[in-house]
Amino acid sequence: NAGVTQTPKFQVLKTGQSMTLQCAQDMNHEYMSWYRQDPGMGLRLIHYSVGAGITDQGEVPNGYNVSRSTTEDFPLRLLSAAPSQTSVYFCASSSHDRIYGYTFGSGTRLTVV
Amino acid sequence: AQSVAQPEDQVNVAEGNPLTVKCTYSVSGNPYLFWYVQYPNRGLQFLLKYITGDNLVKGSYGFEAEFNKSQTSFHLKKPSALVSDSALYFCAVRDSSSNTGKLIFGQGTTLQVKP
Repeated sequence: NAGVTQTPKFQVLKTGQSMTLQCAQDMNHEYMSWYRQDPGMGLRLIHYSVGAGITDQGEVPNGYNVSRSTTEDFPLRLLSAAPSQTSVYFCASSSHDRIYGYTFGSGTRLTVV
Repeated sequence: AQSVAQPEDQVNVAEGNPLTVKCTYSVSGNPYLFWYVQYPNRGLQFLLKYITGDNLVKGSYGFEAEFNKSQTSFHLKKPSALVSDSALYFCAVRDSSSNTGKLIFGQGTTLQVKP
């Protein structure tokens, strides 16, 4: 009963490097999303997916890429890391009707130097 | 477009006193409303939701929230605060008429309960 699993928990990148933040859920949820959390700005939606093969942009998609090849996995790719992408990233999932709340992962703290 | 506003960055309450954390929202259709809590260095935990029906909804840890459609508000309340309630609280809204399921968050309110 793992819920939503995010890896890694911590990461330091140099400017210009690329990396993938992993997110996996074992609840057979159709809906998955990525948020970033910055002080004073709450959680801002980066990308979301309503099912395998379907993704769309949220509020702050620039510099990030996603794909959803399976129901379980929703990786977030940073194409060329910038200091402005220093943040805490959360993955969340929800069932199809989306009214029973969202389950969040424990987060990935990313620092870009 | 959906939006959520939490007008207070921080709320300070003495233990045993009632607490209120404010939230107002904007959606084009009917709202689905949520409150989440975040403890330091942790993910978000679901507290309660309003989907339809009774305007007063009860959630975890003795929290409740009142949906007010005319004021587009969904304030979080608790009759008697505990020091352990100190945390970061987020209000979130989803437009029920949208099939994208996008959940939009407010900027968060830090609740500080002093002994």
